Amino acid sequence: AQSVTQPDIHITVSEGASLELRCNYSYGATPYLFWYVQSPGQGLQLLLKYFSGDTLVQGIKGFEAEFKRSQSSFNLRKPSVHWSDAAEYFCAGNFGNEKLTFGTGTRLTIIP
Amino acid sequence: EAGVTQSPTHLIKTRGQQATLRCSPISGHTSVYWYQQALGLGLQFLLWYDEGEERNRGNFPPRFSGRQFPNYSSELNVNALELEDSALYLCASRNPGNTGELFFGEGSRLTVL
Repeated sequence: AQSVTQPDIHITVSEGASLELRCNYSYGATPYLFWYVQSPGQGLQLLLKYFSGDTLVQGIKGFEAEFKRSQSSFNLRKPSVHWSDAAEYFCAGNFGNEKLTFGTGTRLTIIP
Repeated sequence: EAGVTQSPTHLIKTRGQQATLRCSPISGHTSVYWYQQALGLGLQFLLWYDEGEERNRGNFPPRFSGRQFPNYSSELNVNALELEDSALYLCASRNPGNTGELFFGEGSRLTVL
């Protein structure tokens, strides 16, 4: 079955530290992959997307993600987090069926 | 350019009542998606409409229904409300030429008492 897994429910990072959020997918081919961010009580905002080509994609707010076919992963990274990055992060995949399948999300807490 | 707009922002109903949620997609987008985000359950796909037709449906009972109007706006109806229907309902639109990127509204918070 096609699925997206985010193994970490909650991550706490110090402000200024680096960040990596994990995402794995299960699919027989390469899906279209996305990372979204959701601030409390808000909708989802697209951070970045991967369709094909360069496996390192740059997004908004200083985020990047790397697609690794061998590991079926699409991890999100940021070199230095800011307090405003505290939010819930969702990885999603389009497996060719015209809808996005979302992971369960990772809640990011930033400590001073 | 206006984004996806949803109304109402908040809605409080009692068990057994009906709720209607509305969504206007980004101008030029013909596909509308509905997702349910209940506490602790992530985003669950509800419905997909394109060009006025229901194209796909998630694993939800028939009391969840909707429609898409000629101007591509959409409404989601939930009949015979149950307590577990309390959730944030998110609407998203997609450009038909796009490879799957969705643009989300702010959501409608439904509380069932």
